[in-house]
Amino acid sequence: SQELEQSPQSLIVQEGKNLTINCTSSKTLYGLYWYKQKYGEGLIFLMMLQKGGEEKSHEKITAKLDEKKQQSSLHITASQPSHAGIYLCGADRGSQGNLIFGKGTKLSVKP
Amino acid sequence: EAGVAQSPRYKIIEKRQSVAFWCNPISGHATLYWYQQILGQGPKLLIQFQNNGVVDDSQLPKDRFSAERLKGVDSTLKIQPAKLEDSAVYLCASSLRGTFSRTPYNEQFFGPGTRLTVL
Repeated sequence: SQELEQSPQSLIVQEGKNLTINCTSSKTLYGLYWYKQKYGEGLIFLMMLQKGGEEKSHEKITAKLDEKKQQSSLHITASQPSHAGIYLCGADRGSQGNLIFGKGTKLSVKP
Repeated sequence: EAGVAQSPRYKIIEKRQSVAFWCNPISGHATLYWYQQILGQGPKLLIQFQNNGVVDDSQLPKDRFSAERLKGVDSTLKIQPAKLEDSAVYLCASSLRGTFSRTPYNEQFFGPGTRLTVL
């Protein structure tokens, strides 16, 4: 079965610094989703990547899917305290449209 | 547009007791998902409905967990009897999959979750 590995598991950065979170799949990715979760809350959709080499940006967050479609990265530029939370990558589990998730990366931003 | 609603938000029970969670998806969303998220882990799918039919329940522990979506709208997830290892956040999500939609992908919208503690 497919597995998603996220790295690092946790990250503490100073406000204003850039950071990158990685998501590596054991199989080819046909749909890769990035979500953000704050403690005690549900998941908030950030971006979805489908094509090898695809890159999407929203505000200061950029996500890429590599050409071989087995790894994705999430890059945050000039981090802010509002970026703090758990970032989860999810992949299409099969043809039914449900997702398998990585364990998440916990991001803390120090003001 | 109202989001996915879940209740209760928190529940504490003793092992061997029963518990039920309720979810109301976004209006018009045909597909509804129940996920279990154990502390420090990513969400794991328990069951997926499209309208009132089950699409995938391969990871649902059927000896103790049950779920229904009788009218194809809201859904209930039940655990009977609960075990200590059932302590987790139970997330409900919905999507337009299965409806007439031009959405090119299967974005899922999540509710706030129900945090279950089994003592």
